Amino acid sequence: ETGVTQTPRHLVMGMTNKKSLKCEQHLGHNAMYWYKQSAKKPLELMFVYNFKEQTENNSVPSRFSPECPNSSHLFLHLHTLQPEDSALYLCASSQEGTGSRQPQHFGDGTRLSIL
Amino acid sequence: AQSVTQLGSHVSVSEGALVLLRCNYSSSVPPYLFWYVQYPNQGLQLLLKYTTGATLVKGINGFEAEFKKSETSFHLTKPSAHMSDAAEYFCAVSDNRGAGNQFYFGTGTSLTVIP
Repeated sequence: ETGVTQTPRHLVMGMTNKKSLKCEQHLGHNAMYWYKQSAKKPLELMFVYNFKEQTENNSVPSRFSPECPNSSHLFLHLHTLQPEDSALYLCASSQEGTGSRQPQHFGDGTRLSIL
Repeated sequence: AQSVTQLGSHVSVSEGALVLLRCNYSSSVPPYLFWYVQYPNQGLQLLLKYTTGATLVKGINGFEAEFKKSETSFHLTKPSAHMSDAAEYFCAVSDNRGAGNQFYFGTGTSLTVIP
């Protein structure tokens, strides 16, 4: 599925680096999400944006900084990460406000490795 | 609060055999329920969803699930497993309360199909 595109697909960075993950959705949705997927753990919701406004921040460390310049683009800025931040980072989008819970559509993720 | 429990982190079936992946949820309000599949190096893809109406839901790739309120279950089945069904499967619950769009995911079940 190409509805939600994430770049890069793989990223290796040192703990002192600064990098950004990018997500773009082509589905006309009005909500976007960042999830962290670690082995043997449930998906962890990190951030939610509705109509470009952040509505959820699930106690995510400040070394993760989201940015949503418009309803089609979502970024996750990374700085001074820790080894335990190595994971698959998934972006998703959905259409909210329809009166029924709509499914979330996911990108293929960015595999992040912290050295 | 809502949560999802997927019984069995690993399930193995023979090709052509019945697939049964278990999901139990807890929710204080009528839930919306979803099953997603994740193939290696990809994001989550929606298999099927239950919102309202018929409790037996049919999805893609021959999968179906039945919402049983009395058992708080939403088990995923497929009559005959195919090699291409080998993947990770996630059950998720959400609702339509409030402003949050949060989905709660299970820890996933890895399905192996034996030739």
